[in-house]
Amino acid sequence: QKEVEQNSGPLSVPEGAIASLNCTYSDRGSQSFFWYRQYSGKSPELIMSIYSNGDKEDGRFTAQLNKASQYVSLLIRDSQPSDSATYLCAVRTTVAGGTSYGKLTFGQGTILTVHP
Amino acid sequence: DAGVIQSPRHEVTEMGQEVTLRCKPISGHNSLFWYRQTMMRGLELLIYFNNNVPIDDSGMPEDRFSAKMPNASFSTLKIQPSEPRDSAVYFCASSQGASEAFFGQGTRLTVV
Repeated sequence: QKEVEQNSGPLSVPEGAIASLNCTYSDRGSQSFFWYRQYSGKSPELIMSIYSNGDKEDGRFTAQLNKASQYVSLLIRDSQPSDSATYLCAVRTTVAGGTSYGKLTFGQGTILTVHP
Repeated sequence: DAGVIQSPRHEVTEMGQEVTLRCKPISGHNSLFWYRQTMMRGLELLIYFNNNVPIDDSGMPEDRFSAKMPNASFSTLKIQPSEPRDSAVYFCASSQGASEAFFGQGTRLTVV
């Protein structure tokens, strides 16, 4: 089982629709969860971070975390063509003993296309 | 802050040559990550440091790869000897504690 898995995609939605991106992780000790966006030829940039169960909203973006199910999702409302990119889920663990910070592992990414 | 700075941006080298990639993390950040990205394998974690100490290098593909962080403001990733299959984009990222990581612009490596 991969440490971080995303729905394979690619995902295509019409402009104005809701795009739903999903991610599961295997390490129950994971503490921090992130969604990054990567345009072609560019480096990943942070969209959302979430650390506790529930929803977190920022503008058109909502991240959802369910630690019991080891599941993270990202909803993009009112999708725009400029949202077309690869979306990467990232999970950070804590090292055993809690005295240090663990590795930051990425899923394989989901390619989102928003068509006019 | 200027963000994470990587150099060079592009590197073309011949098989068998030594390649050194450089990274300057964001000032005050205490974690540094090296990633490799390819179409086939996505974004792979090679090695990460906490407070300049390597914590996990299990992602380093072979002994040809090595990484150092001599101080809080500088890290290198070295490949010796380089092979065509090492061609990829290499990213460096840094973070403060368990918070989000910020990426450099990457180094596109081509080994011919």
